[in-house]
Amino acid sequence: NAGVTQTPKFQVLKTGQSMTLQCAQDMNHEYMSWYRQDPGMGLRLIHYSVGAGITDQGEVPNGYNVSRSTTEDFPLRLLSAAPSQTSVYFCASSQREDGEIRETQYFGPGTRLLVL
Amino acid sequence: GESVGLHLPTLSVQEGDNSIINCAYSNSASDYFIWYKQESGKGPQFIIDIRSNMDKRQGQRVTVLLNKTVKHLSLQIAATQPGDSAVYFCAENLLRNYGQNFVFGPGTRLSVLP
Repeated sequence: NAGVTQTPKFQVLKTGQSMTLQCAQDMNHEYMSWYRQDPGMGLRLIHYSVGAGITDQGEVPNGYNVSRSTTEDFPLRLLSAAPSQTSVYFCASSQREDGEIRETQYFGPGTRLLVL
Repeated sequence: GESVGLHLPTLSVQEGDNSIINCAYSNSASDYFIWYKQESGKGPQFIIDIRSNMDKRQGQRVTVLLNKTVKHLSLQIAATQPGDSAVYFCAENLLRNYGQNFVFGPGTRLSVLP
């Protein structure tokens, strides 16, 4: 299994440009999420999905859209990039484990985004 | 490599010593906790978890302690090795909110001295 994969690894955008950050997992996990990580701060939840066709907002959703048409893929769209969106973005997936309630999140390697 | 936090608390320990990393969590109703390790330029990696009905759980070279009275979590690493150098995050969650409400702490940078 490849686990959670993210593309691209790095991206530079100009203010106002749009782009899509890709995330895919091959573990058949129901739950997927997007976080951003800024210096001196922990990860903050942007959007999440508890299954195909179901998405919801996290702590910092403004300026981002998501969709979940398949179990495997969960793309994050920046509609009109702003310098405040300069960050490292992580995608994660998880699944409840039968017999013991655990919810280990597996993270991708991250996408480093710079908005000029 | 990429810096994941420019102003994080830093813990420096000698190789071979034990490390203790602390975390204060925010929600007294949280019932599930995870420690993650994040190496430079990589995503967070699961280390160990604990449910609120436990106060201690041990893994390989790591132990997590939970004190619900003061909302405190700690991660103990035995015989710290250079490969343990990383940023460590705690995360709290409410199990009934499936996957919805992981809240991460700001992290602590562990530096292992030779």
